[in-house]
Amino acid sequence: AQTVTQSQPEMSVQEAETVTLSCTYDTSESDYYLFWYKQPPSRQMILVIRQEAYKQQNATENRFSVNFQKAAKSFSLKISDSQLGDAAMYFCAYRAMNTGNQFYFGTGTSLTVIP
Amino acid sequence: NAGVTQTPKFQVLKTGQSMTLQCAQDMNHEYMSWYRQDPGMGLRLIHYSVGAGITDQGEVPNGYNVSRSTTEDFPLRLLSAAPSQTSVYFCASSYSFDVGSSGNTIYFGEGSWLTVV
Repeated sequence: AQTVTQSQPEMSVQEAETVTLSCTYDTSESDYYLFWYKQPPSRQMILVIRQEAYKQQNATENRFSVNFQKAAKSFSLKISDSQLGDAAMYFCAYRAMNTGNQFYFGTGTSLTVIP
Repeated sequence: NAGVTQTPKFQVLKTGQSMTLQCAQDMNHEYMSWYRQDPGMGLRLIHYSVGAGITDQGEVPNGYNVSRSTTEDFPLRLLSAAPSQTSVYFCASSYSFDVGSSGNTIYFGEGSWLTVV
């Protein structure tokens, strides 16, 4: 079974600074998708960024970018110019496209933004 | 476009009672699923469905039942509530097959807070 590991239960960053959240995954598949979801205190799950495994170029969405290392099975999220509204729980997720349809989630990283 | 709608948002049950969490989506997604979220354990899959009439167990199915009579609806039933089922429950949906990079995202409902006393 696929597993997703987030080794940082908690992280903190000063406002306007940059922070990187780590995620590793285990798979034997070659074709899959990776996601980062944000869960603020409201508990709503919000898609932050998405990466297709067949694309070598790292995905970016405004202040959010990823460092996708396929060989190392690593998928880290970088948040630049951190804002108070970035404070949330962040979940890394994996989905294989050829074997089943399930999404696998990490245990989350709680990000605190310090004013 | 309502997306994924869950009801109720909050519920308190007594041990042994049964109830149904409702989930509906209007995006014509084949794939629907239920997760529970507990502190330090992330999201754990309870049951999922890849289309009407098809359901399967996830990681933590015991004590829960599902059915999928239509594409839109995927209710989760607690058969005899136990305090261990106190949790936040999320319904989610997605396309089942690879429809291109923009179509493989999973969409979540707003969550249902369940307390069993």
